[in-house]
Amino acid sequence: ETGVTQSPTHLIKTRGQQVTLRCSSQSGHNTVSWYQQALGQGPQFIFQYYREEENGRGNFPPRFSGLQFPNYSSELNVNALELDDSALYLCASSLRHYNEQFFGPGTRLTVL
Amino acid sequence: SQQGEEDPQALSIQEGENATMNCSYKTSINNLQWYRQNSGRGLVHLILIRSNEREKHSGRLRVTLDTSKKSSSLLITASRAADTASYFCATEGSGNTPLVFGKGTRLSVIA
Repeated sequence: ETGVTQSPTHLIKTRGQQVTLRCSSQSGHNTVSWYQQALGQGPQFIFQYYREEENGRGNFPPRFSGLQFPNYSSELNVNALELDDSALYLCASSLRHYNEQFFGPGTRLTVL
Repeated sequence: SQQGEEDPQALSIQEGENATMNCSYKTSINNLQWYRQNSGRGLVHLILIRSNEREKHSGRLRVTLDTSKKSSSLLITASRAADTASYFCATEGSGNTPLVFGKGTRLSVIA
C-alpha cells in the first residue's frame, strides 16, 4: 500500500454533470499526476502538477482541469461529462516529475 | 496514444514456472518502468531501468533493456499465485515527457 489516497472510491454521474475527484499525495512528494484508465487499457496521462503549477498535459480537452494545493493534495475536475469519461481515474505522486510513481487505489467513475 | 506494446496480451502458467513479458516502444527514452496492477486497482511500481542500463534485478524480477531494438523484457522467476495481475511497461521519453503506458499483459499463475 502506498501513502496515496483517493476519494471517492466509486461515483455514478449522468451525462452533462460535473465531477470532482480528490487525491492526497504521499508525504514528502511535491508532484501529482492524473491518469485515466479505460477498461482493458493502460493508464493515459491527463496532466501533472508540480508545486501547484500545471507541469504537462496529455491529449485531453479543457473540460478536464485540475488544482494542486499548498499541501500538495490535488483535485481533478471534469465538466460536461460524456459517456466515454467512464473509467478508473488514478492519481500518482512522486518526488520529481516522471520517476517512480506511487499510485492511489483509484476512483471508478461511471457516466450514465 | 500508447507507445509501449506488451506481448503477450495474456499469459497463463503454473506456479513455480517463470513468466516472461516483453515491451516494445517507439521513441527515445530516459527510462522504462514496469508496474503491476491487481484487479483494476492502483498500480504498484516494480522496477525502473534507465536508458544507459542493460539489465536490472529486484528479488525475483529481472528486467532487460535493449535500446537499439527499443524493447524490454520482464522476467518473473518461480512464479506464485500472488503474482496473478496485469503488468504494464511505461516509458519516460527524452526531454522529461510524461509516462506513456502500454496496454499490459494479464498474467495468471495457477496453483
